[in-house]
Amino acid sequence: DQQVKQNSPSLSVQEGRISILNCDYTNSMFDYFLWYKKYPAEGPTFLISISSIKDKNEDGRFTVFLNKSAKHLSLHIVPSQPGDSAVYFCAASDTDKLIFGTGTRLQVFP
Amino acid sequence: SAVISQKPSRDICQRGTSLTIQCQVDSQVTMMFWYRQQPGQSLTLIATANQGSEATYESGFVIDKFPISRPNLTFSTLTVSNMSPEDSSIYLCSVYQGVSAYEQYFGPGTRLTVT
Repeated sequence: DQQVKQNSPSLSVQEGRISILNCDYTNSMFDYFLWYKKYPAEGPTFLISISSIKDKNEDGRFTVFLNKSAKHLSLHIVPSQPGDSAVYFCAASDTDKLIFGTGTRLQVFP
Repeated sequence: SAVISQKPSRDICQRGTSLTIQCQVDSQVTMMFWYRQQPGQSLTLIATANQGSEATYESGFVIDKFPISRPNLTFSTLTVSNMSPEDSSIYLCSVYQGVSAYEQYFGPGTRLTVT
């Protein structure tokens, strides 16, 4: 049973436009949500997180939105840059463990 | 942030053999985690390794197949035993470190191919 889902395996966005990556979850007890970026042949790198008591967190070009009633979170990247091209994973905290989604491959083209 | 290295970075192994993956952290950490990422799949937690205690395995993973050692606060090993082609994956270690709660830092991963 997949508790964290990323239903879009890929996304293609033009440079300078907004990228929106989505994530759904099923467990209302998750207390923290995180986004990671992964380049080929590298480990995932932490991007941004949000506590379940908040609905928005912003860090530079990256903003994460949390809709608890819908059990949905999204990552907005504005403006998108070619260097943002990578696989993005959302993750949810279950006590001391992280549960990851399947990832969305973002391609930013000129 | 923690700097994490893994050895080997990749390997090709024959079925029935075992491979030990090393994870080294440049600072002392209490908890270390081992993940597996099968082709096209998500990262799945194998086990949590605390220094001085037995590793805690997730459902579907057993110590006989994935024995883990944690001899000190900066080092851990994961062994993939009696390998089959289904064990072909990227294996990653991670540690907690960062300002945000539950923020984990990952090593570069070990790409294992079993033939």
